[in-house]
Parts: sequence; C-alpha cells; structure tokens
Amino acid sequence: DQQVKQNSPSLSVQEGRISILNCDYTNSMFDYFLWYKKYPAEGPTFLISISSIKDKNEDGRFTVFLNKSAKHLSLHIVPSQPGDSAVYFCAASAPGNTPLVFGKGTRLSVIA
Amino acid sequence: GAGVSQSPSNKVTEKGKDVELRCDPISGHTALYWYRQRLGQGLEFLIYFQGNSAPDKSGLPSDRFSAERTGESVSTLTIQRTQQEDSAVYLCASRIWGGEAFFGQGTRLTVV
Repeated sequence: DQQVKQNSPSLSVQEGRISILNCDYTNSMFDYFLWYKKYPAEGPTFLISISSIKDKNEDGRFTVFLNKSAKHLSLHIVPSQPGDSAVYFCAASAPGNTPLVFGKGTRLSVIA
Repeated sequence: GAGVSQSPSNKVTEKGKDVELRCDPISGHTALYWYRQRLGQGLEFLIYFQGNSAPDKSGLPSDRFSAERTGESVSTLTIQRTQQEDSAVYLCASRIWGGEAFFGQGTRLTVV
C-alpha cells in the first residue's frame, strides 16, 4: 500500500526547458512534503520542502506546488540544466513521531 | 563531522553471515532513520528512532533485521544470516524535529 506515489519512473527534458515532476499521496494526515535528489553512489540530498499551510514554495530554479484537495504535489525546475539529471524522490510526513515516507523516484534526464 | 556518516561504505559478505552497519548522525538530531534501496527500486523504510521513544520497527522485513540506538547517538543495523535478497544500499538519515532529513552516503551491501 503505497502512500506516496511517483507514477513516472523517468522523464526526459531538453536543456533550458521546464521539468515537471509529479507526486501523489493518499494519507490525508501528511502535512510536510519534501523533494530529494539522488545521484548514483551518493545518498539523497534535500532540495526543497513545503508545509501544508502553503501551496507554493520557491528556491531559485526550483518550485514546489501543493494541491491539498487533490493530494498532489509537483516540483518544477526551470530552466533545466544537464547537472539536474538525477533521480528525484518525493517524501511526506505526518505530525508527531512518524517516519518520512518516500515515493519510488523519477529519473530525470536533461539533454543538452 | 558536519554530516551523517555511515560505515563501511561497501561490504561484501557470504550468504549466511551476520553483518553490522553503522550510522553516526548529525549531532543534536533526535530522529534517525534507516532505509534501503534495492537495485532499481525506491527507498524502503526499515526503522525509525525518535529520541528516547520506542523505535518504529514496522518496516523491518524479517526478524533477521534489528537495529539499536543509544540515546541520540550512533545507531547500528544488524542483519543476521544474510541472504542474497538483502543486497542493497542501506541509507541512514537523521533529522531535527520538523525539519528535513539529511542522508549519509550509504553502505552498499553485497551478499554472495
């Protein structure tokens, strides 16, 4: 029973264009959402987060949008760069002593 | 150090042997997580420690897996009688309350 779903295992985008990575969740108790980026042979690194009291958070080229009614969030990267090529994981947590729940990841390839 | 440290970085073991993986979290981080990533798969939650509370062991795949953490310090994940399906990258993360989790580089376990 996957509580966090990333339905696209891979995405290919041209350099300079927008990359949109999607994530859906089922647990309405989730109130904090994060995106992580992972290169091969490295641990995931934190990118950006959003709490459920907001619907948008922006940090440079990265913007996360949250649609609570649809239980959907997305990560926009614009403009995309070849160095953005990695696996992106969406994660969520509920209040209190609960673990972060991760999706299966989306492999982004940015083509020069 | 400033980040989450895991050791060893690589471990090759024979089927049936026990292995112990170590995680040194960021100082002051009360929460510590263990995840694993099998080839081509997402991040699979294993166990979660939060301060002095009882750990959330709901992700441990079998009773061959166990983990310990003393207070808010080092954690060890032990796998007894290793099987080939245990081969994976084992990732440790630590987190301050309500913040993002920081991951170590992982331990790549290969059971031959």
